[in-house]
Amino acid sequence: EVQLVESGGGLVKPGGSLRLSCAASGFTLSSYNINWVRQAPGKGLEWGSSISSSSSYIYYADSVKGRFTISRDNARNSLYLQMNSLRAEDTAVYYCARGAGATPVDGFDIWGQGTMVTVSS
Amino acid sequence: SYVLTQPPSVSVAPGQTARIPCGGNNIGSKSVHWYQQKPGQAPVLVVYDDSDRPSGIPERFSGSNSGNTATLTISRVEAGDEADYYCQVWDSSGHHVVFGGGTKLTVL
Repeated sequence: EVQLVESGGGLVKPGGSLRLSCAASGFTLSSYNINWVRQAPGKGLEWGSSISSSSSYIYYADSVKGRFTISRDNARNSLYLQMNSLRAEDTAVYYCARGAGATPVDGFDIWGQGTMVTVSS
Repeated sequence: SYVLTQPPSVSVAPGQTARIPCGGNNIGSKSVHWYQQKPGQAPVLVVYDDSDRPSGIPERFSGSNSGNTATLTISRVEAGDEADYYCQVWDSSGHHVVFGGGTKLTVL
């Protein structure tokens, strides 16, 4: 079965750090662009970051730029989101999502189940 | 930055047609994707590239895009279609993915 599985969420204090992981099964992660999308409780979807299959391009939303770093380890079929200087407004379910095609124009055809990040003192 | 505007809610009776608009400046020049999200679940792609359907998505789901409005159309609406729907585009000028605010579809 083609799927993505996120892990690494949890409770962290403001100013703290957390690293999320996204593991792929049923397909080769290295062949796809991958994205992080978050959803605050009761709110809509918010894009956070995208990385191309070869890491040749990386993009960030203004809300996370300079604090979050996306990376991938194609040998391990995994993707990561290092989150630093966390704020209360970063509290959300974080999804990784596969790009359906080779460009950032393409939609996201496979989504993980999400991992919850709570930033609170 | 590019903004996508969706109505917060749309209501429709079973068996009728639901139309969910997504407004954006010259959105007709972009590829629009639509996602369905049911409570407690991850989003699911239901229409991509304006009007194409992924495998497994019923033909009742269709899309169009022209001018300043893209539209997701759900024909013969069923109770199981009740969900939040989001439109999404790539903003090439800002190198950002943009989501609309989402529309809650209620089946009366």
